Amino acid sequence: DGGITQSPKYLFRKEGQNVTLSCEQNLNHDAMYWYRQDPGQGLRLIYYSQIVNDFQKGDIAEGYSVSREKKESFPLTVTSAQKNPTAFYLCASSIGGQGVSYEQYFGPGTRLTVT
Amino acid sequence: AQKVTQAQTEISVVEKEDVTLDCVYETRDTTYYLFWYKQPPSGELVFLIRRNSFDEQNEISGRYSWNFQKSTSSFNFTITASQVVDSAVYFCALSVFDSGYALNFGKGTSLLVTP
Repeated sequence: DGGITQSPKYLFRKEGQNVTLSCEQNLNHDAMYWYRQDPGQGLRLIYYSQIVNDFQKGDIAEGYSVSREKKESFPLTVTSAQKNPTAFYLCASSIGGQGVSYEQYFGPGTRLTVT
Repeated sequence: AQKVTQAQTEISVVEKEDVTLDCVYETRDTTYYLFWYKQPPSGELVFLIRRNSFDEQNEISGRYSWNFQKSTSSFNFTITASQVVDSAVYFCALSVFDSGYALNFGKGTSLLVTP
């Protein structure tokens, strides 16, 4: 089945530890995105990548880092510099490019809790 | 800068009622795209519709319909004869070229349909 996988579904970490969230897609999409969702809030953009080995900061990139070494993978690292990391993290992908905005397909999300 | 406003935080209806979810957007770009997504309790976002700024035709898909009016910068979503399964959070979103077509989300409207 084609789709986006995120693992794990739930993640618990101690304050001060870095943690990496996985995002893999087999849709052959060029563009990938990371969003953060807090209770009662819409989704906010953390990072996006339109092509392998290239990525751009979104609205709330501070305290996060990403890599895009392969087309199908876009891992997100939540560093200890992120002041309030507890949130629901959603990864998405889309066809991208060609000067057109296509719909994004979302993974099931990872709920990160930092104590 | 782009902005999406969903003024209705929560809506509660009885099954079979019609309900309209409002979405108002702001952008200076002449080319932009509008989206609606559904987020059921499971958390995964489900794509519903995409519209570009040059296509003001209204669209109907089963019990769902969308009304796009550039004159009022609105892209409203109507569910006819609502069902319990329609209970979810609904997000309106906007994308433009300058942000890599990342989605700029409203804060969402939580719809509860009771039997």
